Amino acid sequence: QVTLRESGPALVKPTQTLTLTCTFSGFSLNTFGTCVSWVRQPPGKAPEWLAVIDWDGETLYSTSLKTRLSLSKDTSKNQVVLTMANMDPVDTARYYCVRQDSSGYFPDWGLGTLVTVSS
Amino acid sequence: EILLTQSPDTLSLSPGERATLSCRASQILSSNFLAWYQQKPGQAPRLLIYGASIRAIGVPDRFSGGGFGTDFTLTISRLEPEDFAVYYCQQYGSSFTFGPGTKVDRK
Repeated sequence: QVTLRESGPALVKPTQTLTLTCTFSGFSLNTFGTCVSWVRQPPGKAPEWLAVIDWDGETLYSTSLKTRLSLSKDTSKNQVVLTMANMDPVDTARYYCVRQDSSGYFPDWGLGTLVTVSS
Repeated sequence: EILLTQSPDTLSLSPGERATLSCRASQILSSNFLAWYQQKPGQAPRLLIYGASIRAIGVPDRFSGGGFGTDFTLTISRLEPEDFAVYYCQQYGSSFTFGPGTKVDRK
């Protein structure tokens, strides 16, 4: 059974850097074809894909956010870490860690963590 | 970037009725790389359909997907009470983008 759990601060101030950790089980990010993405969803709005890291450590970022995002993985801990720099109130959203099929769709989602950006 | 539009914004129906939701892409999607998700309040999105027409594991057969190129549909043959939710399409032919969603609510 695949599970993913997001952890990190619920509140960050504008201009701060957000760091979120995804801890997963039921699959290995060492396995060929395995990918983990981050997707966020502002309240009342559609999801927005942010970034993906694959089994080989290759990363891909949203074009509009790539200058602010960084992804890394710790395979021994089954964790993926997302950092987003220069946070703004418009970045207030629920942030989801998601297992991504190598084709590109998202079969498994964490519960998400709500991040509010406010001074 | 491939943009997705969904119609209608809201679909008001009764249990037992048929629901037809549309998703249009701004460019042709290679290999029909289109997925559909269902989201209920307070929950994460749930994968229903991928490859435009392939049901995910555990999805009831009243859900079906169709279409190709730029125009896709999700059909719920007979609405059950648990089907009232928001539905999103997502393309994965070029990067990954979601549509704005269609809300299916009770008439």
